[in-house]
Amino acid sequence: GAVVSQHPSRVICKSGTSVKIECRSLDFQATTMFWYRQFPKQSLMLMATSNEGSKATYEQGVEKDKFLINHASLTLSTLTVTSAHPEDSSFYICSASELTGGKNIQYFGAGTRLSVL
Amino acid sequence: EDQVTQSPEALRLQEGESSSLNCSYTVSGLRGLFWYRQDPGKGPEFLFTLYSAGEEKEKERLKATLTKKESFLHITAPKPEDSATYLCAVQAHSGYALNFGKGTSLLVTP
Repeated sequence: GAVVSQHPSRVICKSGTSVKIECRSLDFQATTMFWYRQFPKQSLMLMATSNEGSKATYEQGVEKDKFLINHASLTLSTLTVTSAHPEDSSFYICSASELTGGKNIQYFGAGTRLSVL
Repeated sequence: EDQVTQSPEALRLQEGESSSLNCSYTVSGLRGLFWYRQDPGKGPEFLFTLYSAGEEKEKERLKATLTKKESFLHITAPKPEDSATYLCAVQAHSGYALNFGKGTSLLVTP
């Protein structure tokens, strides 16, 4: 299957600082990438859809000024958590969408564990 | 509104004891139904995509089936390394985003 690389795998930061998470599709081009958030014992919740060269589409309740998404190329999307606070601590996971023969499959990165002190 | 419900929440099996996981869904026009495996602290690993009722797919000890209302993930003669959380997600014709269920946590004991 296709490979999606996500970095860093773990971040510990002080309250008020900003954190950038990178998501790369290594062996395919992804016109669309997705960012999810997962709380303990819960499933993945979609935060935003990122399209190369255009503004991200955010889900209801997700602050776009808080979670800045940039999709500068067909293989890279970044999520920046601005002025992070303890309530932003969570597991953030990206996925990249591969379109093959009209079928769309999302491959996921390994996730980033964010802890805000 | 699209909904995905997985059952059971948790399942404990003896090695070799076959069983099935259920994923019930409602969606306004199904583009695809996805099964993923997630290990603790890791991202989901793609297993299968099913696109139409009656479709079946197999991979090693796993077999996924699809009807118009639900999907089953059958696990035949599981091994301890099959222990993980199995996630079901639906994708509607309206877009490519995935709507996930809460998952089934599977534990296979020797």
